[in-house]
Amino acid sequence: QSVLTQPPSASGTPGQRVTISCSGSSSNIGSNYVYWYQQLPGTAPKLLIYRNNQRPSGVPDRFSGSKSGTSASLAISGLRSEDEADYYCAAWDDSLSGPIFGGGTKLTVL
Amino acid sequence: QVQLVQSGAEVKKPGASVKVSCKASGYTFTGYYMHWVRQAPGQGLEWMGRINPNSGGTNYAQKFQGRVTMTRDTSISTAYMELSRLRSDDTAVYYCARDLFKGFGSSQGLGYWGQGTLVTVSS
Repeated sequence: QSVLTQPPSASGTPGQRVTISCSGSSSNIGSNYVYWYQQLPGTAPKLLIYRNNQRPSGVPDRFSGSKSGTSASLAISGLRSEDEADYYCAAWDDSLSGPIFGGGTKLTVL
Repeated sequence: QVQLVQSGAEVKKPGASVKVSCKASGYTFTGYYMHWVRQAPGQGLEWMGRINPNSGGTNYAQKFQGRVTMTRDTSISTAYMELSRLRSDDTAVYYCARDLFKGFGSSQGLGYWGQGTLVTVSS
């Protein structure tokens, strides 16, 4: 059971905007940065968002992150078929002294 | 460009040990934390621990304390993760991943990942 809670699935049609939520607690999201990873089928994860809302070089600005209190969300605008993937949130947990991941959200582009 | 190349797939029997390597190139190996993350079939990501390649210092997830050992060889820019007393539920893809930013303060995201190494534990 993951310490960070994500919906198991999400979906949208091309061009739509979808959001994926991530809920934690005061020992992780509430006091540390949130990160988001994209995992395409059969590949290694890729960092999409760091420090709550920053994008690494090369990540399109269609992807955005936000955080409020002990929750965070990833928004994807202008949805494309190639966005179909699993998305994971993560944050450092002070109680566990290490990063923890959400259970992942499988995004389907209809 | 940053590259992390891991060793090949392994098949082990329960009770055995496995050692996975991760060869880094394209950056200063001793400047960034190296983490190990695993993913069981059809499951999510699980952090196992990290190593400071400069000092050799390690931090392990409590779940793996006593069973995991992370080491490095700076002369060949390679990190290693050894897991002992393997069980069937250790069957997973094991990834090495480098911190996004240089330095050894708080980790700031896993910016570069290896291709993964499938470890299968079966009798």
